[in-house]
Amino acid sequence: GAGVSQSPRYKVAKRGQDVALRCDPISGHVSLFWYQQALGQGPEFLTYFQNEAQLDKSGLPSDRFFAERPEGSVSTLKIQRTQQEDSAVYLCASSPDNWQPQHFGDGTRLSIL
Amino acid sequence: DQQVKQNSPSLSVQEGRISILNCDYTNSMFDYFLWYKKYPAEGPTFLISISSIKDKNEDGRFTVFLNKSAKHLSLHIVPSQPGDSAVYFCAASERNNDMRFGAGTRLTVKP
Repeated sequence: GAGVSQSPRYKVAKRGQDVALRCDPISGHVSLFWYQQALGQGPEFLTYFQNEAQLDKSGLPSDRFFAERPEGSVSTLKIQRTQQEDSAVYLCASSPDNWQPQHFGDGTRLSIL
Repeated sequence: DQQVKQNSPSLSVQEGRISILNCDYTNSMFDYFLWYKKYPAEGPTFLISISSIKDKNEDGRFTVFLNKSAKHLSLHIVPSQPGDSAVYFCAASERNNDMRFGAGTRLTVKP
């Protein structure tokens, strides 16, 4: 596809379950970013990959959050032992390189019951 | 810490008039600034950007102004159209990494 694709669009999980969110970036985009957006707020940075290398994970809120991009294309954000405060929209973005704008997917809305 | 602030949660403008959205930032290391537009249930869509070496960038009806001394960014939309109604996010970064967003301004353009 032409844009960033995220799946699933919606995810409901019970507290304590593990979840995995997938991001397919635009083909050829070197950089990939994950953001968390709470209701009524702007996106907040979680982590950043350049190809398969995770260059910055300073925004991950706890060690329950883990992201990977093993082959430098598709990325997965995993949240272990989910808590209610993890409920948010998780956005993925990609860009060709620095100094190019990031292009966002439509996000995954995660609800923890 | 809120490094990027959009102090107006909402703005209402008449069709055909100018819309001015404002953004302030605190980190003097930011060198790349962007505006995104967001419709409900969609991801943010890139609108326009400016690097710190410029003070103005124009693309059709959209112009972004950067005042580095004041650490202030603004987006001008002229003329405003009803289809411009959306939430607008200001974002800033160092070399397009670790982008920081404001909380957004909801623009309503009335016919």
